[in-house]
Amino acid sequence: EDKVVQSPLSLVVHEGDTVTLNCSYEVTNFRSLLWYKQEKKAPTFLFMLTSSGIEKKSGRLSSILDKKELSSILNITATQTGDSAIYLCAVRDNYGQNFVFGPGTRLSVLP
Amino acid sequence: IAGITQAPTSQILAAGRRMTLRCTQDMRHNAMYWYRQDLGLGLRLIHYSNTAGTTGKGEVPDGYSVSRANTDDFPLTLASAVPSQTSVYFCASSVQYGNQPQHFGDGTRLSIL
Repeated sequence: EDKVVQSPLSLVVHEGDTVTLNCSYEVTNFRSLLWYKQEKKAPTFLFMLTSSGIEKKSGRLSSILDKKELSSILNITATQTGDSAIYLCAVRDNYGQNFVFGPGTRLSVLP
Repeated sequence: IAGITQAPTSQILAAGRRMTLRCTQDMRHNAMYWYRQDLGLGLRLIHYSNTAGTTGKGEVPDGYSVSRANTDDFPLTLASAVPSQTSVYFCASSVQYGNQPQHFGDGTRLSIL
């Protein structure tokens, strides 16, 4: 059964800190890994990763995939209160019909 | 503004009642999905549709049904609601089914008493 684990489950930091969120997975035949940010309502897409070692970057956010370790990290530098959200990791395999989501990491950034 | 619209925003329902959650998208996406989100369990796929006229079961389909009569609409029906179906329900879509990011609606908060 496909499985996605995220750590930590919750994290409290102060503005300006750098955070690293972790996602590890067990998938029969990996195809892609996606990161989403969920504030009050709808999750919004951040990154999709398919190849190991290639960093995706958007402003202060970046992410990289390690297929050997079956994991991905999401980095946020110089955090702001607007980064407070639940960060969701999801994986897709080649044969299954599911995007399998992890439980999410709840990030709180204090002023 | 293009996107996904879900209705109602929230609903309290007596157990045993029938309920249909509505989802409409105006992006002409072929694929649509229904998820439920529960604390500690993340998002779990209920049903999906690759294209109009076809549907498939996800991870947790029992107690739910869907239809896809056209590209834009993908309603989710609870035939006889039970308290364990209390959850937040998200509808999503993507251009094609597969290796593409999904766009999510704002969710429906459903409480079954």
